[in-house]
Amino acid sequence: DQQVKQNSPSLSVQEGRISILNCDYTNSMFDYFLWYKKYPAEGPTFLISISSIKDKNEDGRFTVFLNKSAKHLSLHIVPSQPGDSAVYFCAASALMARAGGADGLTFGKGTHLIIQP
Amino acid sequence: GAVVSQHPSRVICKSGTSVKIECRSLDFQATTMFWYRQFPKKSLMLMATSNEGSKATYEQGVEKDKFLINHASLTLSTLTVTSAHPEDSSFYICSAKMTVNYGYTFGSGTRLTVV
Repeated sequence: DQQVKQNSPSLSVQEGRISILNCDYTNSMFDYFLWYKKYPAEGPTFLISISSIKDKNEDGRFTVFLNKSAKHLSLHIVPSQPGDSAVYFCAASALMARAGGADGLTFGKGTHLIIQP
Repeated sequence: GAVVSQHPSRVICKSGTSVKIECRSLDFQATTMFWYRQFPKKSLMLMATSNEGSKATYEQGVEKDKFLINHASLTLSTLTVTSAHPEDSSFYICSAKMTVNYGYTFGSGTRLTVV
């Protein structure tokens, strides 16, 4: 049962345009969401996160939107640059659900973003 | 920023042998570390949660006798794949949880190939 879903295996965007990566989740206990960028044979690199008490978080070219009622979040990258080409993983955690807050992440399958010149 | 160092980055071993993967937090103390496994074109799957000074908590379906985890200090967790078989070939990644900002920092991963 996939609790975090990224339904688009790949996405192609022209350089300079906006990239929108989508993520859906099913577990209502999730209260903290993260986006990671990953290159082959490397560990994921943290991009941006959002707590369930917010609906938007922005950091430079990256903005994450959270729609709790729809159990949906999205990552916007604008403007898209060639160096953004990578696999992007959405991850979720039930941070506050457990005592101590320590919890492993549940990842989606990733979306391969390709920025075309 | 917080750095997690993972070694080796790549290892090839023979069937039946054991392989140890190290994960170190370089500039912070990590009371909790996580071990993930990634199959080709699949998402990262949490294998176990490692707590310093106590036994690891394994996810359902992960054999604890096969994947031995030791978190002996606040800066080091190790994963030992015992009696490795070709189906254990995978990409293993460790992660440490930051207590300051709830961030998770990942190691660079280990590509294990069992021949």
